[in-house]
Amino acid sequence: GEDVEQSLFLSVREGDSSVINCTYTDSSSTYLYWYKQEPGAGLQLLTYIFSNMDMKQDQRLTVLLNKKDKHLSLRIADTQTGDSAIYFCAENPYGGSQGNLIFGKGTKLSVKP
Amino acid sequence: NAGVTQTPKFQVLKTGQSMTLQCAQDMNHEYMSWYRQDPGMGLRLIHYSVGAGITDQGEVPNGYNVSRSTTEDFPLRLLSAAPSQTSVYFCASSADRNYGYTFGSGTRLTVV
Repeated sequence: GEDVEQSLFLSVREGDSSVINCTYTDSSSTYLYWYKQEPGAGLQLLTYIFSNMDMKQDQRLTVLLNKKDKHLSLRIADTQTGDSAIYFCAENPYGGSQGNLIFGKGTKLSVKP
Repeated sequence: NAGVTQTPKFQVLKTGQSMTLQCAQDMNHEYMSWYRQDPGMGLRLIHYSVGAGITDQGEVPNGYNVSRSTTEDFPLRLLSAAPSQTSVYFCASSADRNYGYTFGSGTRLTVV
């Protein structure tokens, strides 16, 4: 079945880069996503990448996709204390026919001043 | 635009009670979903809808019902609440199934 794996915790110092990793299982996923959840809030879509791309950059965020290894990563440059949150990786299996997402358990990013 | 609105934000139920969690979106999105979030479990799909009049089960549908009589509304009904349904519930909607979902701010439900 489909599964998305992430490490549960990451701690970095303010100003450093953060790299959050994710592996997924469904090779038919056409889009992969990164969501951010701040305490007490819903999930906010950060970025997504189409499966025929290797990289996508959006300001401080860089997404890398290795489709052969089914590995996705999110790099946050110049990490700030406001980036402290839980980050969820998600895939869209079934080739998008149902439009629902399979989420990882989330990586809690802690940014130390 | 309000986006996705969930009510109530907090609710305490007694075992066996029933209730409806409300979800409304004003973006004319066809796709809507309900997830529950539990510590250490991530988000799990309960039910989803691909348009008015069409619903289907997700990963954890037992104990929940949904209906989609309009594009805007997608209520989630708990038939007979159980402590195992204590969770945070999120409703989400999307115009295009590929371009990600907009989430509501959640309903925190406690069943005692």
